[in-house]
Order: sequence, then structure tokens, then C-alpha cells
Amino acid sequence: SQQGEEDPQALSIQEGENATMNCSYKTSINNLQWYRQNSGRGLVHLILIRSNEREKHSGRLRVTLDTSKKSSSLLITASRAADTASYFCATAALDNAGNNRKLIWGLGTSLAVNP
Amino acid sequence: DTEVTQTPKHLVMGMTNKKSLKCEQHMGHRAMYWYKQKAKKPPELMFVYSYEKLSINESVPSRFSPECPNSSLLNLHLHALQPEDSALYLCASSLRIAGYNEQFFGPGTRLTVL
Repeated sequence: SQQGEEDPQALSIQEGENATMNCSYKTSINNLQWYRQNSGRGLVHLILIRSNEREKHSGRLRVTLDTSKKSSSLLITASRAADTASYFCATAALDNAGNNRKLIWGLGTSLAVNP
Repeated sequence: DTEVTQTPKHLVMGMTNKKSLKCEQHMGHRAMYWYKQKAKKPPELMFVYSYEKLSINESVPSRFSPECPNSSLLNLHLHALQPEDSALYLCASSLRIAGYNEQFFGPGTRLTVL
């Protein structure tokens, strides 16, 4: 089952602009992860933010997490054509036994960066 | 070596064929995963192995049969598939089974069932 929902579903911007995509989830989490997938290829891990963190940076990426609103955002600054891809959030949720064994994936945002 | 490899890259099979997908990693990861992904959809978890033992089976039909011969290899045996099984099959690995860790994905096998 999918608990994450990203918005927007699709985003088209010009090179150099910033891209922001959001992810909402439903249950308590240990961490939230963002992945990128270029067309028809495998997923690449971008960043992991733990439930006790509010903001994290990695190069041109900035991720925020608001556990009170059960939401996260991914900001890509100064976008490039090579950033064109689908972006998925995934949450490490606890099951009823308090175990954390799998990721729950969001529906994804398709980003197009036009040269 | 921080790579997960998958073979073949593409596979076309008939509904009566038997084929296998292979996945390999040499990062010392003890959790390995099979996902199925349809176009424009998120990956759907199929199976998870932890320390070479099947830990999670997400109610996958028996025409898909996973196998983990050792800590570096993961196979997915396919038999009597249906056209709706056509999809991108992704293998992933992580240090441990828990969701605390990032997952490393292979490039996938594009499967077409005729």
C-alpha cells in the first residue's frame, strides 16, 4: 500500500529555476527518503531525513520534514536539464509490532527541466 | 563497488516460458529486494530477503519464485506469466532489512510477456 502522496504530480520549469515538490504521509515514521528515477531506469537515493531532523541539505538539494503535518518537501535549486526525472518519497514506517522492515512509496512527481 | 547489477536488461517471453532474472551486489548488504514497477507508477515491493532468508512476501502470485543462493545473489524465477506481468523489475539492496537504511537499486529488467 502507498501512504505517500506527492504533489504536484507533474512539474515543468526552465533551467535555472527552483523546483519544489511535496510529500505527505499518514503514519509515524522513522525517516523519510527521496529517490530520483530517470526514465525507465533504476532509482537513485538522494537524501534521508530522520524524524528528529527538520532540514537537511545535499548539494543543490534541500529537504524539510514537518512531522506535525506529516509532510516533507524537496527543493532543487538552480535546476538543470539533467534534473529531468521522476522523484519519489519513501517513508520508513513502523508496523504494528514496532518493526521497520520496508519502505512505503509515494506516487511520485515527474519533473521536466527545459533548456 | 557500490553497484547493483541486473541481467538481462530486456526480456521477452511467452506465457508458457520459464525464465530467470538475476541480481548481484558486492557491497556486503544483507537485505535484498525485488520490486515491480509499471510505467509512471511507484515501485511495488514483491519480496525481501534478509540474511538469505525470505522475510517478506507481499502476496505475490506463485508464478514468481524468488531465490537467494548466497548473500550476493538474488534470482527471480518466472513461469507461466501473464501479459499484465509486463513491467520493469527492479532489484535493490540495503545494509540491513530495516527501513533505516537507503536502498541501492539496479538498472532493472524490462520484461514483456506476450
